[in-house]
Amino acid sequence: DTEVTQTPKHLVMGMTNKKSLKCEQHMGHRAMYWYKQKAKKPPELMFVYSYEKLSINESVPSRFSPECPNSSLLNLHLHALQPEDSALYLCASSYGTANNEQFFGPGTRLTVL
Amino acid sequence: ELKVEQNPLFLSMQEGKNYTIYCNYSTTSDRLYWYRQDPGKSLESLFVLLSNGAVKQEGRLMASLDTKARLSTLHITAAVHDLSATYFCAVSWGGATNKLIFGTGTLLAVQP
Repeated sequence: DTEVTQTPKHLVMGMTNKKSLKCEQHMGHRAMYWYKQKAKKPPELMFVYSYEKLSINESVPSRFSPECPNSSLLNLHLHALQPEDSALYLCASSYGTANNEQFFGPGTRLTVL
Repeated sequence: ELKVEQNPLFLSMQEGKNYTIYCNYSTTSDRLYWYRQDPGKSLESLFVLLSNGAVKQEGRLMASLDTKARLSTLHITAAVHDLSATYFCAVSWGGATNKLIFGTGTLLAVQP
């Protein structure tokens, strides 16, 4: 298996909802990433997990809560989001974090009403 | 902090002609990536450039890296409509953290 999968593909949620995004890879990669991409903008790094431990949090608001239950799975828990959080959320993985190429999943298109 | 700039931001191309996208970055980096993104889709990896003078080619696209000038170019030969997309360069920064800093992106539109 040489791909990163993400579910759901689309998500619409209200500002009071709690939802989760899921990312999975079975390539034996030990680093996983969350990016946020607004329309017509480049992706921006949110979080990096290395060996299931959070290594980078790019000052992301606490309404976004990442979780890495095991080396293959990465979740992003969402709570009390704002309409400006609507974006494409991309997950990526790499073999390690020392300058290793990142492979991106198809993304989850999130709309916050 | 590392800054990555691309130009142009938008490129309207005629089929059959050649064009170049430029990617400048502000501090030393170990590797540079080029990605393609179709509307509403994820990032497709095109090239990984690892060293000064690296040149890679795939079909009508050729990428090169000059680490001394902190410049990478993506050259398009004889543009075709299928190449219409947004192209990003990204620079790996921070060594062990593997943080990718993306350029602003270049939207290519190939006109018949």
